[in-house]
Amino acid sequence: QVLLVQSGGHLVKPGGSLRLSCEASGFIFSDYYMTWVRQAPGKGLEWISYISSSDTYTNYADSVRGRFTISRDSAKNTLYLQMNSLRVEDTAVYYCARTQSALATGSLDSWGQGSLVTVSS
Amino acid sequence: DIQMTQSPSTLSASVGDRITITCRASQTIRNFVNWYQQKPGKAPTLLIYAASTLQSGVPSRFSGSGSGTDFALTIRSLQPEDFATYFCQQSYSSPQGFGGGTRVEI
Repeated sequence: QVLLVQSGGHLVKPGGSLRLSCEASGFIFSDYYMTWVRQAPGKGLEWISYISSSDTYTNYADSVRGRFTISRDSAKNTLYLQMNSLRVEDTAVYYCARTQSALATGSLDSWGQGSLVTVSS
Repeated sequence: DIQMTQSPSTLSASVGDRITITCRASQTIRNFVNWYQQKPGKAPTLLIYAASTLQSGVPSRFSGSGSGTDFALTIRSLQPEDFATYFCQQSYSSPQGFGGGTRVEI
């Protein structure tokens, strides 16, 4: 079955960096767009980035553009989110998710378990 | 950016009730709307995609409707396990934002 397993959460100081990982199994990883979504404590869901199946296209929310980088390694079936210049307001649970189709317009049909990132001094 | 306005933010209901949650997009998004359920401490799960298509394994008491700018999620005969928070999402264009969520409570 489709499985997305994320790396554990971390406490980081403001201005610091962190890389999240999401290991995929149970499907052909290179056939699907992948997405990162985050949820601040007690808040709603925020879409932050996607990457195309071929690694050709990426897109970001304004709130993270220029600070976060999404990438993927098809040899390792792993999705990454490199987060630099972290701010207190980046504190959230971060979810990776699979897009249901080979297009960016698909829904998010499988989700990782989430990784808590806390940015605090 | 396309804004998704979801209402109500909280809905009080009882087992067996029929409830409807609505989502309005700030511009037309054809049928590129998806609905998710989230329970406390868990990742969201997909219920409905492309406005009205039921995701595999989701009970048939869930249904979606709408196109253009106005969309709805209906739960017919609410069950105890349906008490959760529901989110709409537009996947028409980036950023693929979510509605603010509807908490369904007893």
